[in-house]
Amino acid sequence: TQLLEQSPQFLSIQEGENLTVYCNSSSVFSSLQWYRQEPGEGPVLLVTVVTGGEVKKLKRLTFQFGDARKDSSLHITAAQPGDTGLYLCAGRRGDMRFGAGTRLTVKP
Amino acid sequence: DVKVTQSSRYLVKRTGEKVFLECVQDMDHENMFWYRQDPGLGLRLIYFSYDVKMKEKGDIPEGYSVSREKKERFSLILESASTNQTSMYLCAGGDRAQYFGPGTRLTVL
Repeated sequence: TQLLEQSPQFLSIQEGENLTVYCNSSSVFSSLQWYRQEPGEGPVLLVTVVTGGEVKKLKRLTFQFGDARKDSSLHITAAQPGDTGLYLCAGRRGDMRFGAGTRLTVKP
Repeated sequence: DVKVTQSSRYLVKRTGEKVFLECVQDMDHENMFWYRQDPGLGLRLIYFSYDVKMKEKGDIPEGYSVSREKKERFSLILESASTNQTSMYLCAGGDRAQYFGPGTRLTVL
């Protein structure tokens, strides 16, 4: 059983659509990070959220940390093919734990 | 820019071989990590190191060992490769954030 559950596991959408992916846990984290991984590459850090309820924006990406610091969401507005990749969340409780990821495909 | 490099992008080895995966970071970080990534399982921590010559077991250390003789270099060793060690291996460095190398896709035949 994963400490961090990500949903959906796979998501395929058309360019221009909006989407939200989720990262859930029953554990409290001191911080949570989102990474994007492209095929054949290592994950690249997108954002770190630290405070419960915190919202961070990175261009068309909006990240939210749950009030209780147990969950997080990533919302993408007007998705583009360049957003295609594996989105991983990682929570810190001392050490870092990763979810299995959401594989997003954005079709032109 | 922060850089983590891994010695090979692709490796094919035979069962029973000893395999060395090398990782070098230029961040001057104390912390370095080795993960393996398998579909549906995410990244699982094999070993990590918080200082030179120091190593700690992660969640799945069986069948692996590590070496950290210099701060910038962290090596993962498969003592006797087995087919269930076929995977993507990712090295990372960093503290508050982790900076990953491009990964080594290892196939054990």
